[in-house]
Amino acid sequence: DAMVIQNPRYQVTQFGKPVTLSCSQTLNHNVMYWYQQKSSQAPKLLFHYYDKDFNNEADTPDNFQSRRPNTSFCFLDIRSPGLGDAAMYLCATSRDRAADEQFFGPGTRLTVL
Amino acid sequence: GENVEQHPSTLSVQEGDSAVIKCTYSDSASNYFPWYKQELGKRPQLIIDIRSNVGEKKDQRIAVTLNKTAKHFSLHITETQPEDSAVYFCAASTASSASKIIFGSGTRLSIRP
Repeated sequence: DAMVIQNPRYQVTQFGKPVTLSCSQTLNHNVMYWYQQKSSQAPKLLFHYYDKDFNNEADTPDNFQSRRPNTSFCFLDIRSPGLGDAAMYLCATSRDRAADEQFFGPGTRLTVL
Repeated sequence: GENVEQHPSTLSVQEGDSAVIKCTYSDSASNYFPWYKQELGKRPQLIIDIRSNVGEKKDQRIAVTLNKTAKHFSLHITETQPEDSAVYFCAASTASSASKIIFGSGTRLSIRP
């Protein structure tokens, strides 16, 4: 089945130790998103790619970086995780425009010790 | 930029009764309004959406209404069932926001047996 896959589902890292989360999609969608979601809050958009064009949100910390080497894969790099970065990280895709449905992956829950 | 406000933050209804969640948006150019349901520990999933060229859309027990003049839209769930318990997020997007949507803060819906 076509879908959005995230690995790993659970990630534990130490304070300050770089971590990479991955997302892949078999939908062949042009747009890929990374969201941070903390308990009882709405997903917060960190950045998105429209094809190869990277779009960073103004309030996304420099600590967060992203790579999209090809259509199918997108990575979220957290260079120096702090305790405040513990959250669920959701990857999503949409076919082309904002007015297309966004399909979410299952998320990666990040714990920072 | 676009701002979406959602009310109430929590809602408890008796099984079989109706539930209504309301959202307002600020950008009159917004033209797409999806609603997402997120069960505990799971990914957000689209349950219904509406575009600005229609005023109402229905899918079985779920309906969404849109008032463009007042810039608000609402989710209506009739004959509520226990499996409707979840957090619901409204969202809005505009052509000017390229590929992204703006989420409301969420409503935690509980269905009392």
